[in-house]
Amino acid sequence: GQGVEQPAKLMSVEGTFARVNCTYSTSGFNGLSWYQQREGQAPVFLSYVVLDGLKDSGHFSTFLSRSNGYSYLLLTELQIKDSASYLCAVRDRYNQGKLIFGQGTKLSIKP
Amino acid sequence: EAAVTQSPRSKVAVTGGKVTLSCHQTNNHDYMYWYRQDTGHGLRLIHYSYVADSTEKGDIPDGYKASRPSQENFSLILELASLSQTAVYFCASSPGQEVFFGKGTRLTVV
Repeated sequence: GQGVEQPAKLMSVEGTFARVNCTYSTSGFNGLSWYQQREGQAPVFLSYVVLDGLKDSGHFSTFLSRSNGYSYLLLTELQIKDSASYLCAVRDRYNQGKLIFGQGTKLSIKP
Repeated sequence: EAAVTQSPRSKVAVTGGKVTLSCHQTNNHDYMYWYRQDTGHGLRLIHYSYVADSTEKGDIPDGYKASRPSQENFSLILELASLSQTAVYFCASSPGQEVFFGKGTRLTVV
């Protein structure tokens, strides 16, 4: 079947890093994207990956392994304002346009 | 910047009543989506569309209908609202990779 899984919660410390994991299964993979959602707001696009490897975008980096159905979002030099939920979403190649989200990981950052 | 406008932003509906949520995008994106989000949960896909005059069922379509009469407009219709449909509803549009969300509609069914 199809599905996107994320851990519900993650805690880290200001100034360090956090890795938000995402595993997925789909009949035809056609890209994975990450979004940030602050409390009471709409999700905001962060990154899109379709090829294996690490994509470095500065504060946010994204890793993808298609053979393992696995991705992570790496946040470095954490700030308190990075506290938010992070959602990954997978696009299905065989259902044109279908985009499935995971439940999101709520990242809490302590001073 | 892509703009997705939802209306209304908040609504209280009576059980058994009809509710229509509207969405308008100004960037000529092909894909449009309706998701619901329940407190503390992720986004669940209700209906989506990749071309005008055509809609597709998502993962939780029961109790919802969708209509896309034009490239810019995508509506979600609840013919008989139920208590279980209380949630925040997000409309979104996409040219293919990046998805742009509206600000959401908070629907309360009483």
